[in-house]
Amino acid sequence: SQQGEEDPQALSIQEGENATMNCSYKTSINNLQWYRQNSGRGLVHLILIRSNEREKHSGRLRVTLDTSKKSSSLLITASRAADTASYFCATDITGGGNKLTFGTGTQLKVEL
Amino acid sequence: ETGVTQTPRHLVMGMTNKKSLKCEQHLGHNAMYWYKQSAKKPLELMFVYSLEERVENNSVPSRFSPECPNSSHLFLHLHTLQPEDSALYLCASSQIGGDEKLFFGSGTQLSVL
Repeated sequence: SQQGEEDPQALSIQEGENATMNCSYKTSINNLQWYRQNSGRGLVHLILIRSNEREKHSGRLRVTLDTSKKSSSLLITASRAADTASYFCATDITGGGNKLTFGTGTQLKVEL
Repeated sequence: ETGVTQTPRHLVMGMTNKKSLKCEQHLGHNAMYWYKQSAKKPLELMFVYSLEERVENNSVPSRFSPECPNSSHLFLHLHTLQPEDSALYLCASSQIGGDEKLFFGSGTQLSVL
């Protein structure tokens, strides 16, 4: 069974609104990472949060991690049409980054 | 995606063909990966090479054969594939012992007829 599962599977919002995506996982992790993928392209790393961190910010992105609930959330504030993409969480169990397990992703559509 | 180049971008092949996917990274990383992305499925890790040695092989069928001649190049040799092997194949690289994030190429969209 997969380690990470994103929720919702699809999300449609208006430009300027905030978008929140959630990720749940099953086993203890070393770190959790969020990636973005534009249609038919490779994934781009957004942010990494370690198991001893609770919150992290990068520009309009805010990531939280709750290890007791084995969940993480990605918040994109003031969304733009260019944020339209699929967003994936990936868990690193061993540390070192050489075996990430990805979820199925959340498809975000930001409409003008 | 910058720094990891995959060719070809698209590939159509018959089940009896032999083809190869190529990946090159210009980031000085010491690990390279092949992932398979099928519709509505999580990314599947296929192979990991660390310092040019294969350290991970996730029960991938033998019709997929990886090759890592040096730390900058990675190949995936394909032969007698099945239609269910049609997918986006993504190459990635990282620095083991570094910042632990993956850098992906744009992928090869493979269609097996």
